[in-house]
Amino acid sequence: QVQLQESGPGLVKPSETLSLTCTVSGGSVSSGGHYWSWIRQPPGKGLEWLGYMYDSGSTKYNPSLKSRVTISADTSKNQFSLKLSSVTVVDTAVYYCARAKWLTYHYYGMDVWGQGTTVTVS
Amino acid sequence: SYVLTQPPSVSVAPGQTATITCGGKNIGYKGVHWYQQKPRQAPVLVVYDDSDRPSGIPERISASNSGNTAALSITRVEAGDEADYYCQVWDTTSDHPYVVFGGGTKLTVL
Repeated sequence: QVQLQESGPGLVKPSETLSLTCTVSGGSVSSGGHYWSWIRQPPGKGLEWLGYMYDSGSTKYNPSLKSRVTISADTSKNQFSLKLSSVTVVDTAVYYCARAKWLTYHYYGMDVWGQGTTVTVS
Repeated sequence: SYVLTQPPSVSVAPGQTATITCGGKNIGYKGVHWYQQKPRQAPVLVVYDDSDRPSGIPERISASNSGNTAALSITRVEAGDEADYYCQVWDTTSDHPYVVFGGGTKLTVL
């Protein structure tokens, strides 16, 4: 059973880069047919997709954040990471990593989520 | 970009049926996924591909999708169903699609 666990600093200063890691257990971040996503949720608000990684390095980002987001994988550690640059207070949120399966032209729901990690920009 | 519209809140008495809608242009042509999020917890997938339930999700939860509206129904509502519910689709305008979430609906059990 695949499990995901986010980790990283809980406090980041404005204008700096937020860096988080998602550790995959019970499965492999290198396995084909999966999108490994980062999603965030500001306090009291809804879910916002930031981007995903697939095929051990290819990426897709939310156009509204594309210039500030980088997602990458460390296959040796079975992890994938998020970097969000030039943060401001509006980037304060709970950050989740999640997995979704995909086949050619068929995309499933996100069936595995991490517990989330709170990041405060201040 | 594709937009999903959900009502901010739905209220229902225990034992009744709750219906949460998710509107989008021709959403009936897309696969819709639904998530339940209880306070201070991560979202949980409760419906995928319009109407399929992952293992462990009770049959009281069902969903449909047609035209411009998808809907999640919960019959015989219990206090434990109180949560935020989000719909999600894949915006397949390119080979690898964007993820789109609805704004979420807070289900209150009266």
